[in-house]
Amino acid sequence: GENVEQHPSTLSVQEGDSAVIKCTYSDSASNYFPWYKQELGKRPQLIIDIRSNVGEKKDQRIAVTLNKTAKHFSLHITETQPEDSAVYFCAARGYQKVTFGTGTKLQVIP
Amino acid sequence: DSGVTQTPKHLITATGQRVTLRCSPRSGDLSVYWYQQSLDQGLQFLIQYYNGEERAKGNILERFSAQQFPDLHSELNLSSLELGDSALYFCASSVEGDGNTIYFGEGSWLTVV
Repeated sequence: GENVEQHPSTLSVQEGDSAVIKCTYSDSASNYFPWYKQELGKRPQLIIDIRSNVGEKKDQRIAVTLNKTAKHFSLHITETQPEDSAVYFCAARGYQKVTFGTGTKLQVIP
Repeated sequence: DSGVTQTPKHLITATGQRVTLRCSPRSGDLSVYWYQQSLDQGLQFLIQYYNGEERAKGNILERFSAQQFPDLHSELNLSSLELGDSALYFCASSVEGDGNTIYFGEGSWLTVV
């Protein structure tokens, strides 16, 4: 089955700096890669996604890149703000189910 | 609001007991997923149903079972509860069986005492 590895597990950045979270996947057939943000005690919410026929996608301060050859994808958050502090999960759609990474706890220091 | 409804929101029960968590997917979604999230842990996939049929199974204990009914709502049954079963249980739904965009419900907090 699909295996998704996510790094780092924790990340602290100064407000205004950029944050990058990286994920690798194992199933070359995976073709959909969503990113979720989860605040403490709340549900994961989709923030951005990318499909395998696209190399990069951007939405305001967040962007996702995909390297199909290397089987890795990354989340980039620019000009970080305190409200970006949360746990971020990557995911990959393999055969029949979506597999989530283990999460990255992002802390933005004011 | 994701459109996925879970009940109850909070539940406290004793060890050895049995509980049922209920999920109503978004209108039109045929797939339902169940995830378990323990404190400060990731999302552990339990099971997926698609249009009433079991589609994929993850790390679901034998004490746990689930089903999806003809009206597409789903129930997760947890029996012989142990302290370690205390967690946040999420239901999620998507349109396609292969889990295109998954939308999560607010979760059911289960505390076993």
